Amino acid sequence: KAGVTQTPRYLIKTRGQQVTLSCSPISGHRSVSWYQQTPGQGLQFLFEYFSETQRNKGNFPGRFSGRQFSNSRSEMNVSTLELGDSALYLCASSSRDRGVGANVLTFGAGSRLTVL
Amino acid sequence: AQSVTQLDSQVPVFEEAPVELRCNYSSSVSVYLFWYVQYPNQGLQLLLKYLSGSTLVKGINGFEAEFNKSQTSFHLRKPSVHISDTAEYFCAVGYDKIIFGKGTRLHILP
Repeated sequence: KAGVTQTPRYLIKTRGQQVTLSCSPISGHRSVSWYQQTPGQGLQFLFEYFSETQRNKGNFPGRFSGRQFSNSRSEMNVSTLELGDSALYLCASSSRDRGVGANVLTFGAGSRLTVL
Repeated sequence: AQSVTQLDSQVPVFEEAPVELRCNYSSSVSVYLFWYVQYPNQGLQLLLKYLSGSTLVKGINGFEAEFNKSQTSFHLRKPSVHISDTAEYFCAVGYDKIIFGKGTRLHILP
């Protein structure tokens, strides 16, 4: 079956702009998590959505937001981009239902954002 | 709160030699433990996971890890590495929210 699909794979923006990234989870997976990966900080947890509801949230400013649709596809948005937002944004889906059992993540290839 | 410390940012090792990548975690509750691998320009791929039961966990590509509760460690090992193992390895911990370490780059020397 198809894996986790993230679009776009690469994008370049300038400071002050906003960006929207998309993630299609594995069919049947209802949990979607987002991470920011940078060389200095490694992977940092942004948020997790399950059945269109944000279930967990990391320590990022309000400029970072997300949502999940009824088909489990998820988007994340970053407004008022800063240079420090340049990173690889990874999406991961999980079949874990209602917070029960192991949250085993399957990752997409990521969206690489460069902010100039 | 949970945290993960990967003690080495880079590990060079000769081809066909054994390797150990170290990981220590802290958590106030029982958690699950994971190792993921990231090849260049790709996302992360699950190598193995510890959920419960036997403390020695076998994963893909010949890797294994041992859960040590008293030392709060979950070190990853492989008895003989290949050039194809060149990648970055991430230890992760969590039950609900999964927290990752900063990664260890494995360099295979010919």
